[in-house]
Amino acid sequence: DAKTTQPPSMDCAEGRAANLPCNHSTISGNEYVYWYRQIHSQGPQYIIHGLKNNETNEMASLIITEDRKSSTLILPHATLRDTAVYYCIVRATRGFQKLVFGTGTRLLVSP
Amino acid sequence: DAGVIQSPRHEVTEMGQEVTLRCKPISGHNSLFWYRQTMMRGLELLIYFNNNVPIDDSGMPEDRFSAKMPNASFSTLKIQPSEPRDSAVYFCASSMAGFPRTDTQYFGPGTRLTVL
Repeated sequence: DAKTTQPPSMDCAEGRAANLPCNHSTISGNEYVYWYRQIHSQGPQYIIHGLKNNETNEMASLIITEDRKSSTLILPHATLRDTAVYYCIVRATRGFQKLVFGTGTRLLVSP
Repeated sequence: DAGVIQSPRHEVTEMGQEVTLRCKPISGHNSLFWYRQTMMRGLELLIYFNNNVPIDDSGMPEDRFSAKMPNASFSTLKIQPSEPRDSAVYFCASSMAGFPRTDTQYFGPGTRLTVL
């Protein structure tokens, strides 16, 4: 079962920052927070992951609260191509731990 | 790198027929995953391999489904006999499992299966 809670949908204007929240109140100390997205008719695409520190890469930033019970994915300047379903997943670091996808957040970026 | 390659991209077959989906993982990756995505159930893991060995097949729906990985560069998912409820998009993903850093899964474009 998915261990995360995300809003079903969000809207964002093109060029503005998109902030996608995720609650993972039962996260364990050895679990990472992963974000993937799925653009229509494509396979899921890895975005970013983190343990407890904030992370940034060329695609996005990940902000994890100090208690690690929630996180926010930030797309700093959303474009129309960022329209997709965004999945927040918690996953242990050790052993062969599978990704469990929930229902995600459907982000619509509009002109 | 070409990424994860899946074939065919689309498959339409009739109920009762055998269906074989194919996957070539990213070169150098040691883990391979098969997922199925439907509107009703979302994206669910069917089976995954590490170093060509099946590790967890608890997601395989029933005996009609089987998966093999004869070598590090090829895997198949077979459905025999196929049923209309098997209609879905099937994704293959691969990763380089390591410790202690976590591994990132890279997904293929998927095979859209329609069973009439």
